[in-house]
Amino acid sequence: DAKTTQPNSMESNEEEPVHLPCNHSTISGTDYIHWYRQLPSQGPEYVIHGLTSNVNNRMASLAIAEDRKSSTLILHRATLRDAAVYYCILSRYNQGGKLIFGQGTELSVKP
Amino acid sequence: DAGVIQSPRHEVTEMGQEVTLRCKPISGHNSLFWYRQTMMRGLELLIYFNNNVPIDDSGMPEDRFSAKMPNASFSTLKIQPSEPRDSAVYFCASSLEGGFYGYTFGSGTRLTVV
Repeated sequence: DAKTTQPNSMESNEEEPVHLPCNHSTISGTDYIHWYRQLPSQGPEYVIHGLTSNVNNRMASLAIAEDRKSSTLILHRATLRDAAVYYCILSRYNQGGKLIFGQGTELSVKP
Repeated sequence: DAGVIQSPRHEVTEMGQEVTLRCKPISGHNSLFWYRQTMMRGLELLIYFNNNVPIDDSGMPEDRFSAKMPNASFSTLKIQPSEPRDSAVYFCASSLEGGFYGYTFGSGTRLTVV
C-alpha cells in the first residue's frame, strides 16, 4: 500500500483557515486521496476525496498537486468543533477501496 | 437514516470468555469493514466484506478472531477466547461500491478484557 506522511500535530486559531498537508510521493495513477477525521471519542468521519482535480464540499476543500505527490486539506474557517485527528489515506481502485489509516495529524483549535 | 449501528457500546469480560460484537450497516450499502483502534497501533483494518462475502481478512490478528456477514443487514465479529491484549475500540463501517464514496463509521464498541 502506498504510504502517506503527515505532521503529527498542528495548531490553529478559531475562525482562521487551516491547511493540513499530506505527502504521498509513491502514489500511483489509480490511487484516490481520501481525508477522514476523528473527533474525540467518536468513529472516523468522511471529509473529502479526490483523484486529480481539486475538490470542494461543504466541509472542506482538497487541493492536489499537479504531480499528485502531495495534497492539502483546507478548512476555510476553523471552529472549536474541528479539533480532531485528520487522516490522509490513499486507496487503490483494484484493492476494493479499502482504507488503511496512518497516524494522522492532531489538529488543535485555540479560541 | 440511523447510520451504522454497533452493539454493545461497552463490553467488559473476563479473559477466556467469548465476545461477540454486532454491526448493522446502512441499508443499501454493500461493503462492510471491521476496524480495531488502540493507542499503540492506531486504526487497523481487520476484515472487509463486499456483498456479504469476505474479501480480505489479512488483518485478522489470529484464529481467535472470526467475522461473519449472514445477510446484508448484519455482521458479527467474534473473539474466542478473549485475552487482555484484545482490549480496544472496535469500529464497523459501511459504504457503497467498496468505499470510494465515503465510509460511514459506527460509534464503536469499547471492549475491555480483564
